[in-house]
Amino acid sequence: GQQVQQSPASLVLQEGENAELQCNFSSTATQLQWFYQSPGGSLVSLLSNPSGTKHTGRLTSTTVTKERRSSLHISSSQTTDSGTYLCAIDPSNNRIFFGDGTQLVVKP
Amino acid sequence: DPKIIQKPKYLVAVTGSEKILICEQYLGHNAMYWYRQSAKKPLEFMFSYSYQKLMDNQTASSRFQPQSSKKNHLDLQITALKPDDSATYFCASSQGTFYEQYFGPGTRLTVL
Repeated sequence: GQQVQQSPASLVLQEGENAELQCNFSSTATQLQWFYQSPGGSLVSLLSNPSGTKHTGRLTSTTVTKERRSSLHISSSQTTDSGTYLCAIDPSNNRIFFGDGTQLVVKP
Repeated sequence: DPKIIQKPKYLVAVTGSEKILICEQYLGHNAMYWYRQSAKKPLEFMFSYSYQKLMDNQTASSRFQPQSSKKNHLDLQITALKPDDSATYFCASSQGTFYEQYFGPGTRLTVL
């Protein structure tokens, strides 16, 4: 079965609204990362957060390790936030397993 | 300046040919990786290297061979190319295997 499940699969927001993205994983994660993949395909690491809460800019990630879940909160969304948000875990220290992603569309 | 360089950005090949995808990282990292993203599929792990040694290989086919000539290089040789090999191939690196991974811009391979 898939190790990383993300929800929702897609999300449409009006500019200025907040987004809450969820990630559930089936293995113990020694590392958990949130990535942004642009419509052009490039991948950018947003946050590395295997446990607890981390903030960067308008992004907040909360990971509850023993419940095997993580969330990514995007506040005051902007049209430039549109793209795919990927959750990835590293259960074995050698590789990453990615979820299918949440496709975010922010309308002006 | 880009910290992880992948060359070429786009690559078109014919079935049965051989290609090499280049990856160089200038982050001073010790671990490097290859991932593949096919159309409408999640990113898939292929290989991991640490200090130029293979750590993990999740690619069933021996047609895919990573090559590490220097600590900051991890190229990917693909032989006997098939149309199903068409995908974007991403190289990544991290300080060590516990650490956050950084991705290159990818090489988009199309096999005709």
